[in-house]
Amino acid sequence: DAGVIQSPRHEVTEMGQEVTLRCKPISGHNSLFWYRQTMMRGLELLIYFNNNVPIDDSGMPEDRFSAKMPNASFSTLKIQPSEPRDSAVYFCASSFPRTSGRPGELFFGEGSRLTVL
Amino acid sequence: GNSVTQMEGPVTLSEEAFLTINCTYTATGYPSLFWYVQYPGEGLQLLLKATKADDKGSNKGFEATYRKETTSFHLEKGSVQVSDSAVYFCALSRTNTGNQFYFGTGTSLTVIP
Repeated sequence: DAGVIQSPRHEVTEMGQEVTLRCKPISGHNSLFWYRQTMMRGLELLIYFNNNVPIDDSGMPEDRFSAKMPNASFSTLKIQPSEPRDSAVYFCASSFPRTSGRPGELFFGEGSRLTVL
Repeated sequence: GNSVTQMEGPVTLSEEAFLTINCTYTATGYPSLFWYVQYPGEGLQLLLKATKADDKGSNKGFEATYRKETTSFHLEKGSVQVSDSAVYFCALSRTNTGNQFYFGTGTSLTVIP
């Protein structure tokens, strides 16, 4: 299995630019999560989807952040406009369905490191 | 509510020392408990898990026992190696109300030769 695939691995952009991060979950997983990790705030859940439907987006910092999951194999996290305080590592993770016998295991991608100048 | 509290780091140990990283949780019902490990520059990986009280999860010499009476899931290893240097996260999940996960703040471990 290829694992959770994220792109880009690194992104450097200037304040005010739009940033789009992409994620391909593991085939057969039906839950997808976006996390943000910083030294100051640790690991924060931004949003998660179940069967492509956003279930909890209470962690999305503000309206500049949006996430979509148009199908079971693709999700995007968009920041528009970006700000220096958005600099962080953004992780995508996916998990098995609750009926799989392996619920509760999260599989993480390698992350997208964003630097906003 | 649901939450996880783990010991503050960083932790520095000499090779072959005994490791304990404390983790306690607050949850309604019967969560599953996990330890994840994050090596430098990588995403988190599942290290071990336990899904019910008194279960012991183990992997790569690490162990943790699900203690319902003390609401704890402490991570232990009898003899650490330099390659164990990483950040360790305790987590719980509640799959009967969706698929929600709650992570602790992480504990950084450095093992010196």
